[in-house]
Amino acid sequence: AAGVIQSPRHLIKEKRETATLKCYPIPRHDTVYWYQQGPGQDPQFLISFYEKMQSDKGSIPDRFSAQQFSDYHSELNMSSLELGDSALYFCASSLGRLRDEQFFGPGTRLTVL
Amino acid sequence: LAKTTQPISMDSYEGQEVNITCSHNNIATNDYITWYQQFPSQGPRFIIQGYKTKVTNEVASLFIPADRKSSTLSLPRVSLSDTAVYYCLVGLSGGYNKLIFGAGTRLAVHP
Repeated sequence: AAGVIQSPRHLIKEKRETATLKCYPIPRHDTVYWYQQGPGQDPQFLISFYEKMQSDKGSIPDRFSAQQFSDYHSELNMSSLELGDSALYFCASSLGRLRDEQFFGPGTRLTVL
Repeated sequence: LAKTTQPISMDSYEGQEVNITCSHNNIATNDYITWYQQFPSQGPRFIIQGYKTKVTNEVASLFIPADRKSSTLSLPRVSLSDTAVYYCLVGLSGGYNKLIFGAGTRLAVHP
């Protein structure tokens, strides 16, 4: 079965650089979520989209922005990167109306040097 | 959102049944209880969800007492591959809702 695809899987950036993470949800899923998991931390919700509109917002820094496109893929844009942004970034998708389960992607490991 | 409390860690041996209890004293009437499993450097994976009494699927059972202030995830006959972090989440059902992860339980299964 198709799963959530994230790219790139690994990313190394310098401080103050920008990064773009991409997420391709499971086909026909209408809701996408972004989570950040720092080293030794629990996953923290950043932002979500339903039918291409932002549906909820969590602890996402102002330096980050995200959007969902017409083909339902989503991108998380991160600017002015800081050392503390080094983390695993997970994208998850769900079919909002029918299922309660969120399906997570393999994550993008971002390292900021 | 209801706050949850779980053991920080648990140890078990292959073939044993493992029960992980989660406390959620402030659970609201519309809240569901959901458990996720996470292996190192992988995304969390849904295990089971319930509202009251008992729910069972092919991998686990979830026991919820009448007052719903706690719940117990039961893993029958664990194997080494069940070594993971287990998260108890309480919140509204429905696929639109964000997941709020608290501190999970780190389960170590030994040979």
